[in-house]
Amino acid sequence: EDKVVQSPLSLVVHEGDTVTLNCSYEVTNFRSLLWYKQEKKAPTFLFMLTSSGIEKKSGRLSSILDKKELFSILNITATQTGDSAIYLCAGRGGATNKLIFGTGTLLAVQP
Amino acid sequence: GAGVSQTPSNKVTEKGKYVELRCDPISGHTALYWYRQSLGQGPEFLIYFQGTGAADDSGLPNDRFFAVRPEGSVSTLKIQRTERGDSAVYLCASSPTTDTGELFFGEGSRLTVL
Repeated sequence: EDKVVQSPLSLVVHEGDTVTLNCSYEVTNFRSLLWYKQEKKAPTFLFMLTSSGIEKKSGRLSSILDKKELFSILNITATQTGDSAIYLCAGRGGATNKLIFGTGTLLAVQP
Repeated sequence: GAGVSQTPSNKVTEKGKYVELRCDPISGHTALYWYRQSLGQGPEFLIYFQGTGAADDSGLPNDRFFAVRPEGSVSTLKIQRTERGDSAVYLCASSPTTDTGELFFGEGSRLTVL
């Protein structure tokens, strides 16, 4: 069965800290891995990764994919209170190319 | 509209009742997805449409759940004989194709079954 596992489940840090969120996947016919940020309701897109070893970067956020070891990490440097959210990882694949989500990592950034 | 629109935003119903949740995707997006999210969990796949047809309905939990997309645009998720365990946020998302790319999510419909 296809699955995506995220760790840690939750994390509390102080402003200015750097955090690393982990995502491992077992997805047949794997196509891509996506990261989303969910603050209240609608998840908002962060990154899509399809190739191993190529870092994607957006401001203080960056992500990389390892297709050999079947995992991805999301890094946030110099965290701010506005980074507090649930970070969702999802793998696209399976027989019908659907998106399969992990349970998410709840990040709380304290002032 | 510019984004994915879902109605109602909140629905409270009694056990055993029938509910319909509506999703209006981004114009031109051929793929439409329904997910269910319970507290503390990630979105759980229910069904997705490519055009008017259900390309994958393997996530529907049982035959009380049904979804349609008759004209390839708006979709309705229908839940019969609701149970308390159906309480969750139902998220709809759309994308231009199913091959690659991000999904654009709506704000969700929060269903509470009393």
